[in-house]
Amino acid sequence: ILNVEQSPQSLHVQEGDSTNFTCSFPSSNFYALHWYRWETAKSPEALFVMTLNGDEKKKGRISATLNTKEGYSYLYIKGSQPEDSATYLCASRYTGNQFYFGTGTSLTVIP
Amino acid sequence: DAMVIQNPRYQVTQFGKPVTLSCSQTLNHNVMYWYQQKSSQAPKLLFHYYDKDFNNEADTPDNFQSRRPNTSFCFLDIRSPGLGDAAMYLCATSRGEGRDEQFFGPGTRLTVL
Repeated sequence: ILNVEQSPQSLHVQEGDSTNFTCSFPSSNFYALHWYRWETAKSPEALFVMTLNGDEKKKGRISATLNTKEGYSYLYIKGSQPEDSATYLCASRYTGNQFYFGTGTSLTVIP
Repeated sequence: DAMVIQNPRYQVTQFGKPVTLSCSQTLNHNVMYWYQQKSSQAPKLLFHYYDKDFNNEADTPDNFQSRRPNTSFCFLDIRSPGLGDAAMYLCATSRGEGRDEQFFGPGTRLTVL
């Protein structure tokens, strides 16, 4: 079992603030890094899947970067809105089809 | 519009009484996954199917079994639920393995009395 760690565990920000959180993962045999957003009472929803070192992806106000050599990914939210409140999960896939989630970062955006 | 459907959303069973959770998909994806998430923990992959090929995670207890009778449906059977099996069970699908994003259902929350 591999440990995928996310920090911080929870975060409260004011509407309009920009924020970021971290996903750390073992880099040996790495294959892909997934980010998901999980709103309360809804299904987790995919944000990004990244594979290459140095990858950067963007969807609206949300972007992510990937460093496969050192084993981390950052998720950034620019100008947070109340609708961004959710738990953000990362998951790391390895060769051999092993797939491990982190425990998530719970974001609350205060209007 | 629902793409991955899980029934029921809430399931209550008794200690030791077999229970089946169901998942269906309208995406025609090849891969279906079952995850277990206990309170404040990371979702843990139990097993997945690539088409009809079953892939069990090494540390998934024998108490957990799965069936995939066709592309659309996948079932999670818990043969003798214990109190420690109370959790949220998530089903997900993806077109392929590896780089493809997963599409999740809303989950079934299992309570064991």
